[in-house]
This record gives sequence, C-alpha cells and structure tokens, in this order.
Amino acid sequence: AQSVTQPDIHITVSEGASLELRCNYSYGATPYLFWYVQSPGQGLQLLLKYFSGDTLVQGIKGFEAEFKRSQSSFNLRKPSVHWSDAAEYFCAVYSGGYQKVTFGTGTKLQVIP
Amino acid sequence: EAGVTQSPTHLIKTRGQQATLRCSPISGHTSVYWYQQALGLGLQFLLWYDEGEERNRGNFPPRFSGRQFPNYSSELNVNALELEDSALYLCAIGGLAGVDTGELFFGEGSRLTVL
Repeated sequence: AQSVTQPDIHITVSEGASLELRCNYSYGATPYLFWYVQSPGQGLQLLLKYFSGDTLVQGIKGFEAEFKRSQSSFNLRKPSVHWSDAAEYFCAVYSGGYQKVTFGTGTKLQVIP
Repeated sequence: EAGVTQSPTHLIKTRGQQATLRCSPISGHTSVYWYQQALGLGLQFLLWYDEGEERNRGNFPPRFSGRQFPNYSSELNVNALELEDSALYLCAIGGLAGVDTGELFFGEGSRLTVL
C-alpha cells in the first residue's frame, strides 16, 4: 500500500530565507506525486505535480520540487519565503487506477519577520 | 467559476444526530472524492465516487455513507454523530472524465461541529 511521510510537523523560517519541506513516499513503482497548500479555513490548492520525465518540477508561487527515486523523496523548495507563504503544506501520492490519493499529515509553515 | 461547491459552509449538530453534506462539481467532472480533516490528523480518505458508482472507500465505519447523483453532484451522510466526527469535510474532483492522474481540485470544505 502506498504511504506518505512528512517528518516535520511544524517549521519556522524567516522571511527571505530559503525553505525545504520534506516528503518521503512508499510505493513499489513510481507514483504520481503532488504538493498542496492549505491556508487557514480553506480548501487545498495544488502547488505542483510530478508524473514522469524531468525530476525537477516547477509549480506556482515560486515553488519547486525534486523527485529522487533512490531516496523515495519529493521535497518541496522555495529560494526566498514570503510572509504570505505561511500555511500548511501537504504531500500526496497516487498509484493509479482506483487507488485513493494518500496525503501526508502536513507541515505547518510559520514565517517570521 | 469555482470547480467545486460545497454546502453548508458550517454545520452544528449534537451527538446522535445525522449530518448531510453536499458537493457540486463543475461540469465535465465525473469523479468526486470526500476527505475528512480532523484537527491534527491530516486528510483521511473517506469515499470516491465516479460515474455514480462507489469506487473506493476509506477505513471509516458504515455510519459514514454517501451517494452520487446523475448530475455528478454528491452527498455525504454521517449518522449517529459522535464528538470525534467534528472536522472539516473536503470534497474534491478529479480530472476530466477519462483523465486519470490523481490530481485533485478541492472545495472550500464544510466545517462540522458536533456538540
């Protein structure tokens, strides 16, 4: 069965600093991978996705993620964080067919001045 | 136009009552997914409907049920409410019919509070 681990529950970064949020997945083959962002009281918005091909994918709001098969990871990065990036971030995996999309438990990002 | 419309936005019930939540996808999308987001537990998969059929079900008791209508809108019913059912219930749609990528588009959610 597929699973997703986000080891960091809460991360605090200074505005302008770089950011990396970790995501590890468990699945036998290469799954479809996603990062979503959720602002307080809102639904989830897709930041970026990886299906195949180039392992570095670009998303909205200046985010990027790198798929590393050898490490079963799909970490999210941003070179310079803005205060508006404060939100909760979810990594998700999908293995195809009628399998559910499985989400990690989320990482809450706090941005300080 | 929003891809997914959920109602009600907020719902307050007492233990033992029933709650009904609704989800309307934008035209052209036949798959509807339901997730429960309880405090500190992330998103837990509840149900997946496609073309009116239940395709997958999460690890929830039978008092959580739902259906999908011919217009692809969906309803989630929670019977015999318990305090721990308090959560944000999110509805999502998949890609266009026949496009299976796992990419989900979420509604704003329905906040259920059980007192």
